[in-house]
Amino acid sequence: GEDVEQSLFLSVREGDSSVINCTYTDSSSTYLYWYKQEPGAGLQLLTYIFSNMDMKQDQRLTVLLNKKDKHLSLRIADTQTGDSAIYFCAEKGQAGTALIFGKGTTLSVSS
Amino acid sequence: DTAVSQTPKYLVTQMGNDKSIKCEQNLGHDTMYWYKQDSKKFLKIMFSYNNKELIINETVPNRFSPKSPDKAHLNLHINSLELGDSAVYFCASSPSFKYEQYFGPGTRLTVT
Repeated sequence: GEDVEQSLFLSVREGDSSVINCTYTDSSSTYLYWYKQEPGAGLQLLTYIFSNMDMKQDQRLTVLLNKKDKHLSLRIADTQTGDSAIYFCAEKGQAGTALIFGKGTTLSVSS
Repeated sequence: DTAVSQTPKYLVTQMGNDKSIKCEQNLGHDTMYWYKQDSKKFLKIMFSYNNKELIINETVPNRFSPKSPDKAHLNLHINSLELGDSAVYFCASSPSFKYEQYFGPGTRLTVT
């Protein structure tokens, strides 16, 4: 079945780069997404990548997709304390509608 | 503000009660969803509606009944609430099946 895996925790210092990794199983996924959830808040769409792309850059965010290995990563350059949150990787399910989420990676940024 | 909104933000109720959560989007989207986030932050789809028609109905107890009076609204009614229903419920919408989903702020349901 469909599954999305992420490491649960990442701790970095302010100013460093953060890399959050994700693996997925559904090779038919057309879009892959990164969402951010701050404490007590909803999910904010950060960025997404179409499956025929290898990389997408948006200001401090870089998404890399290795379709052969079904591996997705999110790099945050110059990480700030305001980046502390849970980051969810998600893929479109086989039904093409619902998102299948990973369990989320808690990013902790220390000053 | 253009957004997905949910009411109430917090809901505390006793076991056995019936409650509703409302969701509205003013983004002009065709597709709306309900997700459940458990205490471990795991998010799972419950329902999906497209143009007021039910598209996805995951393995959810039939005590949960979604209702879509129009394209902009998707409400969730829960009968005979149980302790295990305690969670954060998120509404989301997207322009159609294919596109990215935008989430509401969530409703934290606590059943005592």
